[in-house]
Amino acid sequence: DAGITQSPRYKITETGRQVTLMCHQTWSHSYMFWYRQDLGHGLRLIYYSAAADITDKGEVPDGYVVSRSKTENFPLTLESATRSQTSVYFCASSESIMMGVYEQYFGPGTRLTVT
Amino acid sequence: DQQVKQNSPSLSVQEGRISILNCDYTNSMFDYFLWYKKYPAEGPTFLISISSIKDKNEDGRFTVFLNKSAKHLSLHIVPSQPGDSAVYFCAASAGTDKLIFGTGTRLQVFP
Repeated sequence: DAGITQSPRYKITETGRQVTLMCHQTWSHSYMFWYRQDLGHGLRLIYYSAAADITDKGEVPDGYVVSRSKTENFPLTLESATRSQTSVYFCASSESIMMGVYEQYFGPGTRLTVT
Repeated sequence: DQQVKQNSPSLSVQEGRISILNCDYTNSMFDYFLWYKKYPAEGPTFLISISSIKDKNEDGRFTVFLNKSAKHLSLHIVPSQPGDSAVYFCAASAGTDKLIFGTGTRLQVFP
């Protein structure tokens, strides 16, 4: 499928468990991003990546780990899930603003519940 | 420290009338602004954008206005349609590839 996909779409896990959210894009965009959406906070950036093997922290990185070994994949791992990480997670991709492109393209989201 | 603020959590407008969604920002380094639309259970989708060198950008029923001196932008939807009912996020870039998003405004267009 062309575009950007996320899996799973829904996940329930227990406190302390490790969970990985997957993101895959087919556009060969250089940049990829992970956001979380929470009521009253909008979309907050967790981590982003400018290219394979290059990642950087966003606004709320604590408790999360990312990797990007291939351009098309950008998994997000919660090493030890906490209830405060219950949220909807969105992955996005974009070309660089160096190419005059600012728009980011979002996946459908993963709703994660930590019990 | 919320650099991009959408002070109205919700807005209700009658079909056919104008919808005006507002966004304020504090960072004078922002040079590009975007609006995204989000339906339930879907990811945000890009709607319209504006560079700081402009004060208006139009795309069909959607117009974005930028007032740099007031650090304020607005999205006008004319005429509003029921399918416009969604959450709208404004976002800004300070010359980097990262976007800073507002908290969103839920627009409901009723018949």
